[in-house]
Amino acid sequence: KAGVTQTPRYLIKTRGQQVTLSCSPISGHRSVSWYQQTPGQGLQFLFEYFSETQRNKGNFPGRFSGRQFSNSRSEMNVSTLELGDSALYLCASSLIVLPGGELFFGEGSRLTVL
Amino acid sequence: KNEVEQSPQNLTAQEGEFITINCSYSVGISALHWLQQHPGGGIVSLFMLSSGKKKHGRLIATINIQEKHSSLHITASHPRDSAVYICAGGGGETSGSRLTFGEGTQLTVNP
Repeated sequence: KAGVTQTPRYLIKTRGQQVTLSCSPISGHRSVSWYQQTPGQGLQFLFEYFSETQRNKGNFPGRFSGRQFSNSRSEMNVSTLELGDSALYLCASSLIVLPGGELFFGEGSRLTVL
Repeated sequence: KNEVEQSPQNLTAQEGEFITINCSYSVGISALHWLQQHPGGGIVSLFMLSSGKKKHGRLIATINIQEKHSSLHITASHPRDSAVYICAGGGGETSGSRLTFGEGTQLTVNP
């Protein structure tokens, strides 16, 4: 059974650009959640999607957005990148909605903003 | 004060020792996750608890929802247990499905 796949694994952008990250969940999992991890702030919840609907969003500016497709694959987008957006972005999939259900994490997309 | 606090922040043990990591939260939650993160970033889910106690191999997790406290125990610790352990709670009235994370406990087990 394939795990959670995130692409790209590494990327470098400059301030002001935008970025789109992709997450393919485990087959059959309909919940996909996104997280930002930085050395200063640790892990922070970005948003959760279930059946193409955003169920909850963390305390992030509107530059951070996401969506989920009918096949449960999810994308997140960050517009007008800032230096502080440099982080490891992780997604996780689950059979059921948060906070219940075992989480299966992808390996993450490491974003560097110059 | 963070909504979810872990202690200790750093822990060094000798192989074979019994280890306890604590997680306290100040808001109501309905479920708590324990996660393990190895160098390089990969995160593995260890437990999801809503009440009582769960055991998997040498790992045991307990939670007391009313007292807002959970513990992760590792029996007969081994160097391969060296990692960062993170707790995360969610399902409260104000947070809904949002997970709030502790700062993590860096565990080092020496041979």
